Amino acid sequence: SQKIEQNSEALNIQEGKTATLTCNYTNYSPAYLQWYRQDPGRGPVFLLLIRENEKEKRKERLKVTFDTTLKQSLFHITASQPADSATYLCALDGNYNTDKLIFGTGTRLQVFP
Amino acid sequence: EAGVAQSPRYKIIEKRQSVAFWCNPISGHATLYWYQQILGQGPKLLIQFQNNGVVDDSQLPKDRFSAERLKGVDSTLKIQPAKLEDSAVYLCASSLVFGGDQDEQYFGPGTRLTVT
Repeated sequence: SQKIEQNSEALNIQEGKTATLTCNYTNYSPAYLQWYRQDPGRGPVFLLLIRENEKEKRKERLKVTFDTTLKQSLFHITASQPADSATYLCALDGNYNTDKLIFGTGTRLQVFP
Repeated sequence: EAGVAQSPRYKIIEKRQSVAFWCNPISGHATLYWYQQILGQGPKLLIQFQNNGVVDDSQLPKDRFSAERLKGVDSTLKIQPAKLEDSAVYLCASSLVFGGDQDEQYFGPGTRLTVT
């Protein structure tokens, strides 16, 4: 069956460290993968998109990798800050003809001062 | 630029009652999405519109859920009759274009529905 798996347990790290979140997928062949941030009581906010032919993408303190052989994406936040505390969702395209996004369950990140 | 607007923000109804949610996407965005997000899960697409036509409604429970997007702008999502398992946050999102490389989606704040 098709699955997108993110760590269900919260990730707790100290301010200044690098946070690494994992997104694994099964029985999908996505053309791209997106990462979103969601704060409590709010809708998700787009962060980064990475395509199947891209190994790595960066934006300020954020870095995303995409390994289509391992069927995995890693999301890194360097020099993490308490303001980075949120739930992070990965999403991949489920159908090229409709640009339909399939979301993972998300990983909650807590950055402590 | 104004974001995606949704109303109401919260709604509490009894099972078997009906409810409607409204969404106003970002001006000029051709594609509109309705998602259901159950607590502890990621958003699940219910229906996707391209202008005022339906692109994908494969996960919409059509015996009780309906949605329309009149004139290709605002959209409403209706549940009738509601069940306890419909308790969730209903998110509306919009994106600028459709087809080819996926454009980012802009989400509204959501409507939290509680069915008692």
